[in-house]
Amino acid sequence: GAVVSQHPSRVICKSGTSVKIECRSLDFQATTMFWYRQFPKQSLMLMATSNEGSKATYEQGVEKDKFLINHASLTLSTLTVTSAHPEDSSFYICSAPTSSQGTQYFGPGTRLLVL
Amino acid sequence: DAKTTQPPSMDCAEGRAANLPCNHSTISGNEYVYWYRQIHSQGPQYIIHGLKNNETNEMASLIITEDRKSSTLILPHATLRDTAVYYCIAFYNTDKLIFGTGTRLQVFP
Repeated sequence: GAVVSQHPSRVICKSGTSVKIECRSLDFQATTMFWYRQFPKQSLMLMATSNEGSKATYEQGVEKDKFLINHASLTLSTLTVTSAHPEDSSFYICSAPTSSQGTQYFGPGTRLLVL
Repeated sequence: DAKTTQPPSMDCAEGRAANLPCNHSTISGNEYVYWYRQIHSQGPQYIIHGLKNNETNEMASLIITEDRKSSTLILPHATLRDTAVYYCIAFYNTDKLIFGTGTRLQVFP
């Protein structure tokens, strides 16, 4: 089946620094990708929709200036957490649909710890 | 999107069938029922989806009631590796996947 990868799998950074997370569709093209965040023992929360060649659309309450999304090609979307704070520590997961919008392939996730 | 409700947790003995229920009483005629699961510390995995007919694939079966107000995901022979959180989502073609709280399935030896 389709594969989505994320890099890095885990990252530790100091408060105030920026962290970039990459999401790649390895064997298919994705004009749209989605970014989710998941806190411990909670469900996934959709943060934004990444659109190739255009601006991302953010869910209500998600700061677009803090979570920068770039969808530079049909196989790569990046999420940059700017000026990270400890409360940004979370599990970040991306996904991409294939032929059907509802059938999405998820990356393995990136665990971010901000000290 | 129609809201779905699922029991927070269930147990199942290894080798037995796991039947995971989902209520979606407000589902509209063009919304599909999708099931995903998330094994601990991994990204979710697509399992199966259906509109009104029952569906089966290599992973599971999906039984949707005739009135479409509820459905059941069946794992015919649960294994320890099926221990995960299972999410039932009502989804229309142009929507975004919105995850609820899901059912935490624990398969025990």
